[in-house]
Amino acid sequence: DTEVTQTPKHLVMGMTNKKSLKCEQHMGHRAMYWYKQKAKKPPELMFVYSYEKLSINESVPSRFSPECPNSSLLNLHLHALQPEDSALYLCASSLGLGWGRETQYFGPGTRLLVL
Amino acid sequence: AQSVTQLDSHVSVSEGTPVLLRCNYSSSYSPSLFWYVQHPNKGLQLLLKYTSAATLVKGINGFEAEFKKSETSFHLTKPSAHMSDAAEYFCVVRLANQFYFGTGTSLTVIP
Repeated sequence: DTEVTQTPKHLVMGMTNKKSLKCEQHMGHRAMYWYKQKAKKPPELMFVYSYEKLSINESVPSRFSPECPNSSLLNLHLHALQPEDSALYLCASSLGLGWGRETQYFGPGTRLLVL
Repeated sequence: AQSVTQLDSHVSVSEGTPVLLRCNYSSSYSPSLFWYVQHPNKGLQLLLKYTSAATLVKGINGFEAEFKKSETSFHLTKPSAHMSDAAEYFCVVRLANQFYFGTGTSLTVIP
């Protein structure tokens, strides 16, 4: 099973709303990632968690708040977003961050529209 | 400095003809290399990966790629294109714990 699931598939929110994106995997992976992808562009790394600890934060604005409650679950909490934050948000996981463990498996994404 | 370059932003092929999507990387060391495919409004699907084993790597759906250290290339090929291959393809390089995505190649398959 190489499945990463993401909910919701689509989300529309106003700039004053608070919402959360959810990502789940049951492959025993200990590294999880959030990416942001704009149309016709490659994914941009936002955050990396390794063994439930934040490992990498790519200078993402504080209106994005990640959370890793356990090894299978990754959340992205959204608050006071801007219209330019509208994008496809992708979650990925890998066995780990070390050599030979880094192959990432992606979820289908959440399409976010900020009005 | 660009660590990975996908030389073509768009490639068009006729159905049944070969596919070549080009990827070059910049590194003094042998990196881990990956090809992913993304169909419209979908996530990325792993096609294949190179992690210092055999230089010719076979992937899913008939795709393969050859790691050529002397040319710092990892081009993706398929002998015969299918309509379902139309998608965006990303070459990804892992160097020193960082992942670098190419800008992507959009593949069109003409019936």
